[in-house]
Amino acid sequence: DTAVSQTPKYLVTQMGNDKSIKCEQNLGHDTMYWYKQDSKKFLKIMFSYNNKELIINETVPNRFSPKSPDKAHLNLHINSLELGDSAVYFCASSQGGASTGELFFGEGSRLTVL
Amino acid sequence: SQQGEEDPQALSIQEGENATMNCSYKTSINNLQWYRQNSGRGLVHLILIRSNEREKHSGRLRVTLDTSKKSSSLLITASRAADTASYFCATDIYNTDKLIFGTGTRLQVFP
Repeated sequence: DTAVSQTPKYLVTQMGNDKSIKCEQNLGHDTMYWYKQDSKKFLKIMFSYNNKELIINETVPNRFSPKSPDKAHLNLHINSLELGDSAVYFCASSQGGASTGELFFGEGSRLTVL
Repeated sequence: SQQGEEDPQALSIQEGENATMNCSYKTSINNLQWYRQNSGRGLVHLILIRSNEREKHSGRLRVTLDTSKKSSSLLITASRAADTASYFCATDIYNTDKLIFGTGTRLQVFP
């Protein structure tokens, strides 16, 4: 069984469109994250949620809106997509947060904005 | 800005050789973690070392941590072609819940 699953795996869309990426974890963790990995492989944290509550909100354009309907799900909605949004987006989860243990990552969602 | 800088950026070795990657970071930490990322895949946790530990082993992996120098190293002994991947260090920034990743080292192991 996949521990952290993201859908879709690939997204190709036009500038200006809106898109969503879904993430689900079946590990019973209380903390979930979104990371962005650019073309140079730099991984940057975007958001984290603990038990549906927003904990980390990095300097991310407000076109990006995370939503956590329950602690097992963290979705990412992106409005008015721009070329610079092209990247691989990773969802991750942990029990107790980054200071206490490891993160479990999904396989990534590759977003290409044309 | 990245919390961690890794060195070297890329490393090519033959199977059976050892691979050493280094990571330097900037702020106080609770722990430092190493992750592996195979091409086109997600990151996989390898090992976690706490700030009060100096060395840790897991199978063919050996991690050291020097908090006075704000640096860590990952040694992979007797490397295999399957070890080909990118390796990232990650640190949690003290008193935050952020896990910040380094720039990564791309390791290529030739059969």
